[in-house]
Amino acid sequence: AQTVTQSQPEMSVQEAETVTLSCTYDTSESDYYLFWYKQPPSRQMILVIRQEAYKQQNATENRFSVNFQKAAKSFSLKISDSQLGDAAMYFCAYRRREYGNKLVFGAGTILRVKS
Amino acid sequence: GAVVSQHPSRVICKSGTSVKIECRSLDFQATTMFWYRQFPKKSLMLMATSNEGSKATYEQGVEKDKFLINHASLTLSTLTVTSAHPEDSSFYICSAPRADLAAFSYEQYFGPGTRLTVT
Repeated sequence: AQTVTQSQPEMSVQEAETVTLSCTYDTSESDYYLFWYKQPPSRQMILVIRQEAYKQQNATENRFSVNFQKAAKSFSLKISDSQLGDAAMYFCAYRRREYGNKLVFGAGTILRVKS
Repeated sequence: GAVVSQHPSRVICKSGTSVKIECRSLDFQATTMFWYRQFPKKSLMLMATSNEGSKATYEQGVEKDKFLINHASLTLSTLTVTSAHPEDSSFYICSAPRADLAAFSYEQYFGPGTRLTVT
């Protein structure tokens, strides 16, 4: 069975600074996706970034980028120029490629942004 | 963009009664939908996979008779909490996958969630 581990229950970052959230996963599959989701106080799940396992290039979305290390099964999220609106709970998630497969979530990391 | 709605957003019911939560995909069809339960500051726990036209697939430890799931159409799945008790109070979230043809894949879209309080 696939598992996703987030070892940082809480993180803090100063506004405008950079923070990295860690995630490791375990799978025997070779074709899969990895995601970072943001859940703000409204509790609406928001997709931050997606990485396809067969792509070596790390995904980037504006201030958000990932460091995908497939051999090490590591998938960290870097948030640059942190903003107050980035404060939320962040979940790392794994999914096999095919339609109908479920997301496997990590335990989550609460990110606090200090002004 | 794709939208998944849930109704109601909040519900309070008395212990022993049943409550139904609806999940709708508003501009796409979904043969599969997922139901999650989330406690405060905790992760989403998958309860079951709802399949249009067939029985739902429940995760280990989830009571099928207590959490009834019906996928009545390609845009609607319902979760009924039967004989609710205070320990069923939680935040329930649904999601539905929508095809992304350009990426030859699909993405999960999440509903806004339903807060259930059982008194």
